[in-house]
Amino acid sequence: GAVVSQHPSWVICKSGTSVKIECRSLDFQATTMFWYRQFPKQSLMLMATSNEGSKATYEQGVEKDKFLINHASLTLSTLTVTSAHPEDSSFYICSAWGGRGYNEQFFGPGTRLTVL
Amino acid sequence: AQSVTQLGSHVSVSEGALVLLRCNYSSSVPPYLFWYVQYPNQGLQLLLKYTSAATLVKGINGFEAEFKKSETSFHLTKPSAHMSDAAEYFCAVSKRGSQGNLIFGKGTKLSVKP
Repeated sequence: GAVVSQHPSWVICKSGTSVKIECRSLDFQATTMFWYRQFPKQSLMLMATSNEGSKATYEQGVEKDKFLINHASLTLSTLTVTSAHPEDSSFYICSAWGGRGYNEQFFGPGTRLTVL
Repeated sequence: AQSVTQLGSHVSVSEGALVLLRCNYSSSVPPYLFWYVQYPNQGLQLLLKYTSAATLVKGINGFEAEFKKSETSFHLTKPSAHMSDAAEYFCAVSKRGSQGNLIFGKGTKLSVKP
């Protein structure tokens, strides 16, 4: 199957700083990318959906000014957590859909963010 | 609105025993249904999906699931558990197949005893 990578796999930052997480589709072009957040021992919650070249669509309750999503190319989407706080500590997972001909979303391995 | 309910946050079976993980869904439109597996600190891997074709869906690693519209269920089964099956399993529903937003259940952790 197609491969989606995330970088970094884990990051620790100080409260008030910003962190950027990259999601790349390595061997296909991702028409749509999704960002999920997973708290310990809980399910994945969709944060936003992004299509290449257009603004992301955020789910209700997700602060778009805090979680900046950029889908600048068909193989790269970034999530920037601005002015991070300890409550932003979580596991962030992206997925990518390659468009017609692709029968599934492919998930990245996730990024664990810890804010001190 | 769509939703998924997974009965049992933790299921424990013996190696070689039947695995049954339950999933019930709610959807106002014909749903697309998925089962994913997640190993610790990893992303999700698709086990199988239902897309309105055959109601009995076979997936990877010997897993299968049956779509029952009358029961709004999509339970995951495997005849004989293996130690390597120990993981977290998520059921998900979507309106638009793989291109749409996935709504996940809370997950079921499967433990396999030797």
